[in-house]
Amino acid sequence: QKEVEQNSGPLSVPEGAIASLNCTYSDRGSQSFFWYRQYSGKSPELIMSIYSNGDKEDGRFTAQLNKASQYVSLLIRDSQPSDSATYLCAVFLSSGSARQLTFGSGTQLTVLP
Amino acid sequence: EAGVVQSPRYKIIEKKQPVAFWCNPISGHNTLYWYRQNLGQGPELLIRYENEEAVDDSQLPKDRFSAERLKGVDSTLKIQPAELGDSAVYLCASSSWGGANTGELFFGEGSRLTVL
Repeated sequence: QKEVEQNSGPLSVPEGAIASLNCTYSDRGSQSFFWYRQYSGKSPELIMSIYSNGDKEDGRFTAQLNKASQYVSLLIRDSQPSDSATYLCAVFLSSGSARQLTFGSGTQLTVLP
Repeated sequence: EAGVVQSPRYKIIEKKQPVAFWCNPISGHNTLYWYRQNLGQGPELLIRYENEEAVDDSQLPKDRFSAERLKGVDSTLKIQPAELGDSAVYLCASSSWGGANTGELFFGEGSRLTVL
């Protein structure tokens, strides 16, 4: 079982719709959760972080965390063609001196004009 | 503020040849990471430095890969000899002390390696 799993997609939504991206993780001790956006041929860029259960909103983006279900999601409201990218879920675990940020394989999102 | 700088952006070599990648992290970031990203996959950690000390190199293939971070700033990742399976994007990232304890990383543009 992969430590961080995402639906690989591709996911297509029309412009203006809500895009929903999902991620599950295997280690219950995971502490921090991130969504990185990666445009084709570019490096990952941090867009959202969430540390406690519930929702966190930043503009058109909402991250949701449910530690009991080991589930993280990202909602993009009013999707724009510029949101077309691969979205990487990343999970951070700190134990003693070990620090590990593990990435999922990413979900490719296409927003259709 | 300048971001993480990597070079070269692209490198094409024949198998068995050596290759080196260079990274300059964000000023003040004491934690530096090298990741490898294969096509269609997420980044995978190769090595993590705190200042000049390699604190996690468990995923670094030590028979052919080496890395150094002299003086705790710039870093170099070397592959010798390169194999076909090493074709990937090599990403350097850095974080502040706080970021290293929460997982907030800043990535460079990456070095795309093609081994023929």
